[in-house]
Amino acid sequence: AQSVTQLDSHVSVSEGTPVLLRCNYSSSYSPSLFWYVQHPNKGLQLLLKYTSAATLVKGINGFEAEFKKSETSFHLTKPSAHMSDAAEYFCVVSDQRAAGNKLTFGGGTRVLVKP
Amino acid sequence: KAGVTQTPRYLIKTRGQQVTLSCSPISGHRSVSWYQQTPGQGLQFLFEYFSETQRNKGNFPGRFSGRQFSNSRSEMNVSTLELGDSALYLCASSLVFRAGVGYNEQFFGPGTRLTVL
Repeated sequence: AQSVTQLDSHVSVSEGTPVLLRCNYSSSYSPSLFWYVQHPNKGLQLLLKYTSAATLVKGINGFEAEFKKSETSFHLTKPSAHMSDAAEYFCVVSDQRAAGNKLTFGGGTRVLVKP
Repeated sequence: KAGVTQTPRYLIKTRGQQVTLSCSPISGHRSVSWYQQTPGQGLQFLFEYFSETQRNKGNFPGRFSGRQFSNSRSEMNVSTLELGDSALYLCASSLVFRAGVGYNEQFFGPGTRLTVL
């Protein structure tokens, strides 16, 4: 079985300051890990993905995440927050061994960006 | 390429009714997955269809069902609606996935917001 825990349900940052969203996962096998973003009344957009290649993954809009197997973590960071980053972010795990697609989502972190 | 489309975008139903939601995947994508999003339970996997066959299933009651057509379009059906079925239903499509090869990115549609009164 696999699971994901997002350690903060809400994060508030000032525009121009760094953003850190924390995620821990549990997976019995080789996981694929993702971060998705959801803006209000919109679908989910993939920010970045880890699939056992480089442990530091760069995504869109200046986001990056580091896969740390020893800590079972996949934290998302951005050096400088922008107002448009205000949204809900989901950390997601999938089992690479399994045929088919089944994503397990974390509870989400809602990001507020203050001017 | 057009993205994943879902129809309708909004639905209002009453308890006991049934509802059918539709999803058209990105052209060339043969896998379609459905997810339910609620404030209390978050995002939960419903089921996945590939080549007109259900390949994975989440932990939902039998009132939730789906199907996929030969053109990869998918529908999900919820019978005997309950108040707790009010949610945003998201559909996602991806290219063929094979175990051990790596993960194919899932592309999500905008969702259908279902309200059960």
